[in-house]
Amino acid sequence: NAGVTQTPKFQVLKTGQSMTLQCAQDMNHEYMSWYRQDPGMGLRLIHYSVGAGITDQGEVPNGYNVSRSTTEDFPLRLLSAAPSQTSVYFCASSYRGQRQETQYFGPGTRLLVL
Amino acid sequence: AQKVTQAQTEISVVEKEDVTLDCVYETRDTTYYLFWYKQPPSGELVFLIRRNSFDEQNEISGRYSWNFQKSTSSFNFTITASQVVDSAVYFCALKDTGRRALTFGSGTRLQVQP
Repeated sequence: NAGVTQTPKFQVLKTGQSMTLQCAQDMNHEYMSWYRQDPGMGLRLIHYSVGAGITDQGEVPNGYNVSRSTTEDFPLRLLSAAPSQTSVYFCASSYRGQRQETQYFGPGTRLLVL
Repeated sequence: AQKVTQAQTEISVVEKEDVTLDCVYETRDTTYYLFWYKQPPSGELVFLIRRNSFDEQNEISGRYSWNFQKSTSSFNFTITASQVVDSAVYFCALKDTGRRALTFGSGTRLQVQP
């Protein structure tokens, strides 16, 4: 299994540009989520999904959109990038059921917005 | 509301020293899960351990051990005979049954000097 994969690893955007961060997992996990990591603040939840076709907002959803058309993929879209969105983005996935509480993370995408 | 506090921002030790990373949590739930993740300089998040609130047994895995005490709401992590490869940022995280996401502490940066 490749686990949780994310692309790209690094991206530079100009203010106002849009882009999509890709996330895929091959573990048949129902639950997927996006976090952002900022210095001194740990990780904060942006959006999450409990299954294909179902998404919901986390703590810091503004400026981001998600969709979940398949179990494997959970892309994160930045609609109009702002410097405040400069961060490291992590995708995570987990099972539902007794093992649902352990989330496994992708390698991260480092985003710089100029 | 959930909260995780890692009061130690940065710790520096010399190789072979023992080191304990502190984690204090707050939750109103009686059922919850606690985690430790390691983030090495390469940036990925590596799952280390999960502990359920109803299981206060301490755990040892090689040089790693975890001390869970519900009475003090603490879940501390000890590395015995530290090695340079242990240098990383360590995150403590909490998940209760009411939330889909993990609540992370701000992390403790451990530097192990040769």
